[in-house]
Amino acid sequence: GEDVEQSLFLSVREGDSSVINCTYTDSSSTYLYWYKQEPGAGLQLLTYIFSNMDMKQDQRLTVLLNKKDKHLSLRIADTQTGDSAIYFCALKRGRRALTFGSGTRLQVQP
Amino acid sequence: DVKVTQSSRYLVKRTGEKVFLECVQDMDHENMFWYRQDPGLGLRLIYFSYDVKMKEKGDIPEGYSVSREKKERFSLILESASTNQTSMYLCASSLGLVGTKGNTIYFGEGSWLTVV
Repeated sequence: GEDVEQSLFLSVREGDSSVINCTYTDSSSTYLYWYKQEPGAGLQLLTYIFSNMDMKQDQRLTVLLNKKDKHLSLRIADTQTGDSAIYFCALKRGRRALTFGSGTRLQVQP
Repeated sequence: DVKVTQSSRYLVKRTGEKVFLECVQDMDHENMFWYRQDPGLGLRLIYFSYDVKMKEKGDIPEGYSVSREKKERFSLILESASTNQTSMYLCASSLGLVGTKGNTIYFGEGSWLTVV
């Protein structure tokens, strides 16, 4: 099955940029997703990128996709304390489900 | 907005009990999912259903079963709860095939289950 790997923890200072990385093994996923989970809550879709794109920008978020290296990243500019959460990358699993990475816990220090 | 509602946020059950986790979605989605979330392991798919009375095993179905008698409702059943099933359980739903026009999965708030 699909392997999706993320580092478990990232700490940044408020105002800095955060970069969360994800590597995967199966390149057949048409869309690749980033989800955010705030403490005690379910996951919310943050953004996604179509597999024929290299980059997608959405306000403070930039998603970069390197298909050759099977590497996906999420950059958050001007990171705020409200960005503290767990971030999951996700790829298609079969035709209907998603496979998720282990999640990266982002801690933003004031 | 899509709403996926899990009936219980926190449950404490005894080893060997039969446990039901209920989930309801209000957007007429055909697909519903149960994931389990554990620290450092991310989300693992237990079961999903693509239609009423239809189900497919995910990656970790052992010790679980599911029921989908109505389109809006998907239940996860632990036939005989064990301590290694202590976890956060997340229900989700989606419309159609994932990856088509950005179709994705919408999650409930989660149910924290402790088995003692």
